[in-house]
Amino acid sequence: AQSVTQLGSHVSVSEGALVLLRCNYSSSVPPYLFWYVQYPNQGLQLLLKYTSAATLVKGINGFEAEFKKSETSFHLTKPSAHMSDAAEYFCAVSEPAGGSYIPTFGRGTSLIVHP
Amino acid sequence: DGGITQSPKYLFRKEGQNVTLSCEQNLNHDAMYWYRQDPGQGLRLIYYSHIVNDFQKGDIAEGYSVSREKKESFPLTVTSAQKNPTAFYLCASGTLAKNIQYFGAGTRLSVL
Repeated sequence: AQSVTQLGSHVSVSEGALVLLRCNYSSSVPPYLFWYVQYPNQGLQLLLKYTSAATLVKGINGFEAEFKKSETSFHLTKPSAHMSDAAEYFCAVSEPAGGSYIPTFGRGTSLIVHP
Repeated sequence: DGGITQSPKYLFRKEGQNVTLSCEQNLNHDAMYWYRQDPGQGLRLIYYSHIVNDFQKGDIAEGYSVSREKKESFPLTVTSAQKNPTAFYLCASGTLAKNIQYFGAGTRLSVL
């Protein structure tokens, strides 16, 4: 069975500071891992995806995430936060289930950026 | 423009009433999904469909129903059996090969 744990429901950073959003997963098979971003009253948008190629995955808007199998982690980082990064971020994991991939989402982390 | 369209953006339900949320996609995706989003609980899967005329229950299907008569459309009905329907509902579509989901802008359902 697959599951995702996002540590911290809220993360607060100053503009220009490092952003680190934590995600740990559980999966019985090699997983696919995702980060999505949601702006207020909107749907989710894919930031990046890991599919067993390079362990460091670069996404949109300067975000990247590193897959660490030994730690079962897929943390999201950005070197310098911008006010426009304030949003809800969701980590998700999927694995084959009868030939289909149904993702499980974490509870989300709200990123707050202070000027 | 290609994408997923959810309507209406806001919906109000009266006691004992069934309401239907629309989801249409023109991305030629085989798979479509409905999620319910409540504050602090992430996204929970209601129903999904990988092919026309076939759909499967997700984790919280009770009180909901769907149909998939066309590839482009996957409407969700919130029935009177759903006693706590107030939430943000998200529809998504995707291809099984790429395993990426594309989301609509959501429908916010409230109870009068």
